[in-house]
Amino acid sequence: GAGVSQSPRYKVAKRGQDVALRCDPISGHVSLFWYQQALGQGPEFLTYFQNEAQLDKSGLPSDRFFAERPEGSVSTLKIQRTQQEDSAVYLCASSLGAGALGNQPQHFGDGTRLSIL
Amino acid sequence: GENVEQHPSTLSVQEGDSAVIKCTYSDSASNYFPWYKQELGKRPQLIIDIRSNVGEKKDQRIAVTLNKTAKHFSLHITETQPEDSAVYFCAASKQAGTALIFGKGTTLSVSS
Repeated sequence: GAGVSQSPRYKVAKRGQDVALRCDPISGHVSLFWYQQALGQGPEFLTYFQNEAQLDKSGLPSDRFFAERPEGSVSTLKIQRTQQEDSAVYLCASSLGAGALGNQPQHFGDGTRLSIL
Repeated sequence: GENVEQHPSTLSVQEGDSAVIKCTYSDSASNYFPWYKQELGKRPQLIIDIRSNVGEKKDQRIAVTLNKTAKHFSLHITETQPEDSAVYFCAASKQAGTALIFGKGTTLSVSS
């Protein structure tokens, strides 16, 4: 596709439910990032994939958060036993990659707005 | 870890004026500094970025300057227009492909 696509755009869940958020990166982008953006704040890093390998998950707030990218393209962020403090916009970004190319710009999706009741 | 501070948190200017947003970073290993514009309910959009091997970059009405010694970088918007109104975020990252650390954002309002 032309850009990073995320679904659903909005998700409402009851506390304790599990949710799954999907990200379709730009075709050919090696790197994929997940960020969490609270209202009125900047995005905060959650985790990073290079192809199918999860190279950094230091930003995941608890073991209730899990991300995967099994085939090196689409990624899913799963939150188990959701809590009210999980309410935020979850942004996905992708980039061409790193290495000899240096830092490549990260392009963001529109995000999933998650509300936990 | 890296910490990015951004000032001011809000900025109001008249159409045609210039706007300047400043950021400081803590980790001297940071070498990539993008700026994003985010309109309400929309995705952050990259507007300009700079790498540590240059001190200034310009793209039409937008410019970014970097002072590695002082560990700060700034966004300059000239001839502001109402459509420039948005939240602007600075960010920093260390190695290629690693996480961006964002500032808290600046809400820019341009009145006509």
